[in-house]
Amino acid sequence: NAGVTQTPKFQVLKTGQSMTLQCAQDMNHEYMSWYRQDPGMGLRLIHYSVGAGITDQGEVPNGYNVSRSTTEDFPLRLLSAAPSQTSVYFCASKPGSSNQPQHFGDGTRLSIL
Amino acid sequence: RKEVEQDPGPFNVPEGATVAFNCTYSNSASQSFFWYRQDCRKEPKLLMSVYSSGNEDGRFTAQLNRASQYISLLIRDSKLSDSATYLCAVNTITSYGKLTFGQGTILTVHP
Repeated sequence: NAGVTQTPKFQVLKTGQSMTLQCAQDMNHEYMSWYRQDPGMGLRLIHYSVGAGITDQGEVPNGYNVSRSTTEDFPLRLLSAAPSQTSVYFCASKPGSSNQPQHFGDGTRLSIL
Repeated sequence: RKEVEQDPGPFNVPEGATVAFNCTYSNSASQSFFWYRQDCRKEPKLLMSVYSSGNEDGRFTAQLNRASQYISLLIRDSKLSDSATYLCAVNTITSYGKLTFGQGTILTVHP
């Protein structure tokens, strides 16, 4: 059971570099989201999508782009990495009904030097 | 005021103890409530959903108090393996399923 798969698990970038964090789910979930988790800050929503072709901003969207061309994939792009984006990133998905819990991937640990 | 607030703890309890966590939410339109468990350097995993009438899963009991806008998690007969961070999560019917998380409560169960 793959569930939600994130790649890579670890990444080190230099300031100004760009990269894409991958997220894929095989549960046919309509809703997908990206969170970042920082010490003392909890989980903060970056972007989310309620279905293919539809995305919207969360609480902390600046510096990140997303797209949702398929139901399965929801990549997160860092346009120009900054040290403040050093964090653990989690992707999550759930069925479209709003009262369902989200299921998380095992995270990407990103360090920006 | 934060939308969802938890006492960060840490809670240090001996094995066998009963421990309770509370989580308050500010949006009265909140509709769905969950408790997640997160082990160190791992992803959050769903522990249980919280239903209006309260619900129990083994040693874990979740309660919802809509009037006072809080949810609670009770752990009975604590085990060493219960040591983790416990996150509450809330969403509203109009938020397209966006979950807002509390900061988490750290629990350490010691021998």
